[in-house]
Amino acid sequence: ILNVEQSPQSLHVQEGDSTNFTCSFPSSNFYALHWYRWETAKSPEALFVMTLNGDEKKKGRISATLNTKEGYSYLYIKGSQPEDSATYLCAVSGATNKLIFGTGTLLAVQP
Amino acid sequence: DAGVIQSPRHEVTEMGQEVTLRCKPISGHDYLFWYRQTMMRGLELLIYFNNNVPIDDSGMPEDRFSAKMPNASFSTLKIQPSEPRDSAVYFCASSLGFSGSTDTQYFGPGTRLTVL
Repeated sequence: ILNVEQSPQSLHVQEGDSTNFTCSFPSSNFYALHWYRWETAKSPEALFVMTLNGDEKKKGRISATLNTKEGYSYLYIKGSQPEDSATYLCAVSGATNKLIFGTGTLLAVQP
Repeated sequence: DAGVIQSPRHEVTEMGQEVTLRCKPISGHDYLFWYRQTMMRGLELLIYFNNNVPIDDSGMPEDRFSAKMPNASFSTLKIQPSEPRDSAVYFCASSLGFSGSTDTQYFGPGTRLTVL
């Protein structure tokens, strides 16, 4: 069974702080890792898809890294802004090709 | 493109009633997914279709749940009879392809279901 864990569960930072959170998954039978951003009352929105060990992706102030050998991915936000407040979801696909989601990290950025 | 469309956005019903949730995927997408979001279990895949055919329904909780996709532009998720523990947000998502799950899934706005 593919189990995806995210930490921390929630995070409160001040505007301008840089922050990061973690997604952990079993390294066996790994195919791809997805990061989604989910704002309250909106749909989850795709940020990145990563497949290869050592992959790094960047979108504005947000970046992500992937380590498939040890089974983790980091999401970084540089200079957090209030509009970055959202739940950040990680999803992993394994042998079944289905996306298994973590429970997310809730980020609150205080102005 | 309008994105994935779901209706209704909110549904309040009484225990024992039939509930039907609807989804229109993005035009041209071959895959359609139904997810359920709860506080306890997060976002869980219920069922997915490829070219209107159900491929994996192992996430469907029990026989009270059924899903259909009569054509490429419409799918329904039905709960009959509904129970309070079915209260959750139900999301529909679609993707262009499903090659090892590297294709992005695009989510609809969700239907918030409350069963009293």
